[in-house]
Amino acid sequence: EIVLTQSPDFQSVTPKEKVTITCRASQSIGSSLHWYQQKPEQSPKLLIKYASQSISGVPSRFSGGGSGTDFTLTINGLEAADAATYYCHQSSSLPHTFGQGTKLQI
Amino acid sequence: QVQLVQSGAEVKKPGASVKVSCKASGYTFTSYDVNWVRQATGQGLEWMGWMNPNSGNTGYARKFQGRVTMTRNTSISTAYMELSSLTSDDTAVYYCARGWKSSSGLVFDNWGQGTLVTVSS
Repeated sequence: EIVLTQSPDFQSVTPKEKVTITCRASQSIGSSLHWYQQKPEQSPKLLIKYASQSISGVPSRFSGGGSGTDFTLTINGLEAADAATYYCHQSSSLPHTFGQGTKLQI
Repeated sequence: QVQLVQSGAEVKKPGASVKVSCKASGYTFTSYDVNWVRQATGQGLEWMGWMNPNSGNTGYARKFQGRVTMTRNTSISTAYMELSSLTSDDTAVYYCARGWKSSSGLVFDNWGQGTLVTVSS
């Protein structure tokens, strides 16, 4: 099973700041890494697919990068609406696994 | 637009079974896998398994094998997840998610609203 480790677990940030969340895989997964945003009492929402591909309707301040074992989610110009928990997910091999989550407090 | 609408909250006793439904609309139900993911209160996301609505083929996470069954009714575009021998550790929100495939793997592009299953004596 591929283990995904996110850092940090928690970050307190201010509006307009830039924040980067990292996700490290226990073995190479190519670009089969996706990012989701989950707000309290809501379902996860897809933000970035295949490491760096944008999703229609997601603000352009969200971007992703990386390949192999190291990946990043960057949010430029944070807004209050970005307060949420962010998860990475790998679909390179079964079972699908998720990172433990990164909670952003704004 | 794509929608996945799940059944309502359930309260079950230990040892019982629960069956959660996930009704799809806005796309061809048989063209995309349905996956199930659960989340205990305050915890992260845990993948349970997948089902191909066209063939009925399934694949389950090792942790749930023998206890989970994923089925579908294509005439009403609905997927089901049944979990048996419930314990308090199964108390969680259960999500269905549509799996969109590319050559690089599968991504969960649309999610249901979640179904809270509470296991309590």
